[in-house]
Amino acid sequence: EVRLVESGGGLVQPGGSLRLSCVASGFTFGNSWMTWVRQAPGKGLEWVADINQDGSDKSCLGAVRDRCTISRDNAKNSVFLQMNSLRVEDTAVYYCARDPFYGAYDFWGQGTMVTVSS
Amino acid sequence: DVVLTQSPLSLPVTLGQPASMSCRSSHSLLHSDGNTYLNWFQQRPGQSPRRLIYKVSDRDSGVPDRFSGSGSGTDFTLRISRVEAEDVGVYYCLLGTQKTFGQGTKLEI
Repeated sequence: EVRLVESGGGLVQPGGSLRLSCVASGFTFGNSWMTWVRQAPGKGLEWVADINQDGSDKSCLGAVRDRCTISRDNAKNSVFLQMNSLRVEDTAVYYCARDPFYGAYDFWGQGTMVTVSS
Repeated sequence: DVVLTQSPLSLPVTLGQPASMSCRSSHSLLHSDGNTYLNWFQQRPGQSPRRLIYKVSDRDSGVPDRFSGSGSGTDFTLRISRVEAEDVGVYYCLLGTQKTFGQGTKLEI
């Protein structure tokens, strides 16, 4: 059974940082692109970042590019999202998902909530 | 950049009746490799998104055959042949090559 379990969310003040983690099981993690998608309260889905199998190809949403770092540790079946200089508008549920090809996100985690507020 | 426009934003339906929702693009979505990477996701209330359809019309295993996807170029459609109560939620289209989601269609009974 494929499982993706996110963690690391919480309440953070504007300007703060968070490192989100996603641990995968049930598939060959090192063979998969991984992505982060977020959803602000009551809003739609927004792609945030993705990373290829060995971490050599990665990208972040333009609006967060200067504050976003995606990374992975294939030995630990984990993908990470570091977000710095957090803003109120970064408040959202952050999901990790497997991407078998071109946005065909076939498995999703349960999400981790990030709240940016003073 | 490609913009995906879904309509309607809210879709009231009657149980047992068909439902149809649209995803329109500002540009043709045909990829240079001949595929169109237009995917559909369902998000039930309080749940994570779930993929229903990939590459326009390929239905995921476990997805009821009352769901179907169609379209080409700039116009795409997700159809439900007979709506059931468990279908309530928000449906999103996604252009995979641009990582762009539509704004969602909320299906309500």
